[in-house]
Amino acid sequence: EPEVTQTPSHQVTQMGQEVILRCVPISNHLYFYWYRQILGQKVEFLVSFYNNEISEKSEIFDDQFSVERPDGSNFTLKIRSTKLEDSAMYFCASSYNGRPLQYFGAGTRLSVL
Amino acid sequence: DQQVKQNSPSLSVQEGRISILNCDYTNSMFDYFLWYKKYPAEGPTFLISISSIKDKNEDGRFTVFLNKSAKHLSLHIVPSQPGDSAVYFCAASGYGGSQGNLIFGKGTKLSVKP
Repeated sequence: EPEVTQTPSHQVTQMGQEVILRCVPISNHLYFYWYRQILGQKVEFLVSFYNNEISEKSEIFDDQFSVERPDGSNFTLKIRSTKLEDSAMYFCASSYNGRPLQYFGAGTRLSVL
Repeated sequence: DQQVKQNSPSLSVQEGRISILNCDYTNSMFDYFLWYKKYPAEGPTFLISISSIKDKNEDGRFTVFLNKSAKHLSLHIVPSQPGDSAVYFCAASGYGGSQGNLIFGKGTKLSVKP
């Protein structure tokens, strides 16, 4: 069964460093998303991406964040200068036609020290 | 602000009995609701969904009920099995005309005891 894959599973970084989280969405999907879950809190929407541009973003997705689809298969989330409060589980998701049913990857645990 | 609320952080049920997980929402513009299941170290896995034009959707052991007037939905699992032990998230879509992003509840941890 097709699945969304995310790498790495765990990323440890120093505060102020740049990190790139990687995702390979399901191959025929056209809509891509990033969510995050801070420990003990709910899963929160960050950004959606379609046709090589951001279609929607939340208040959390400030200038420190960016997304890119550098090739036909990868979808990345970059955090330019990480802060302690960026420590969270980051989930990538994709959907075929932008309808609510989204398929999630296993997540990347980001730890900012 | 909690637009989607799951007020029970945990639920314990005996194997073979019914599990009922509840979810309340505040925004009447939501038009689609989903339940996801999450095991530790895995991402949320889609379980079942319901459109706001329906009041019930059934898939095998899983049934979701929607009460729009009460802004309440519930997930019924019958019969419950130990493998159902996981965190269950309620999610809603359609907020403010946006179809894409999902608004999640905090989750309910279900434990099914043999």
